[in-house]
Amino acid sequence: DADVTQTPRNRITKTGKRIMLECSQTKGHDRMYWYRQDPGLGLRLIYYSFDVKDINKGEISDGYSVSRQAQAKFSLSLESAIPNQTALYFCATSDFIGGQETQYFGPGTRLLVL
Amino acid sequence: AQTVTQSQPEMSVQEAETVTLSCTYDTSESDYYLFWYKQPPSRQMILVIRQEAYKQQNATENRFSVNFQKAAKSFSLKISDSQLGDAAMYFCAYSGTNSGNEKLTFGTGTRLTIIP
Repeated sequence: DADVTQTPRNRITKTGKRIMLECSQTKGHDRMYWYRQDPGLGLRLIYYSFDVKDINKGEISDGYSVSRQAQAKFSLSLESAIPNQTALYFCATSDFIGGQETQYFGPGTRLLVL
Repeated sequence: AQTVTQSQPEMSVQEAETVTLSCTYDTSESDYYLFWYKQPPSRQMILVIRQEAYKQQNATENRFSVNFQKAAKSFSLKISDSQLGDAAMYFCAYSGTNSGNEKLTFGTGTRLTIIP
């Protein structure tokens, strides 16, 4: 079984709709992240959470919100989707042991906003 | 703010040959981590190799090695004996160690093509 799962893997929605992307992990990590990938721009951080009660904005949080329902679950919501939110979205988790951190990524969710 | 620059949007190499992908970064921190991630057509992000800035020795993972030049803020990835399965996008990434800077900052990627 995959350590970091994302649902759905692909999603098509219309402008103005609210959608939620979900991420679950079985790695037992406290830290979770949401990234967006656009062609030519690499990955950019949307939101991150270092534990269940900790939520932080990343580089491009406008138009997005998150919920950390449990240590293992971190959801990303688009309150009112717009076409320029069409992108590939990645969830990641990490541990931070002995001052060292490595992030592990889910398989990604491809979102198309019409 | 930290920045990561990959100046080669595309690279190609003959199978079994060696290729080097370039990465430079900018930071005011003295301690940090650098990573190379591979993204094949399956789009999965796969960690290839990591380097701690306080270590002078270059990291190596099988056919993958880095040339870490801290003073020059350069972190290149060398792939030896290139294989068809190495074809992918490669992303260089930086992570700080100070509180609030532990997040990953990515470069824009280099698309590597392997020529049979």
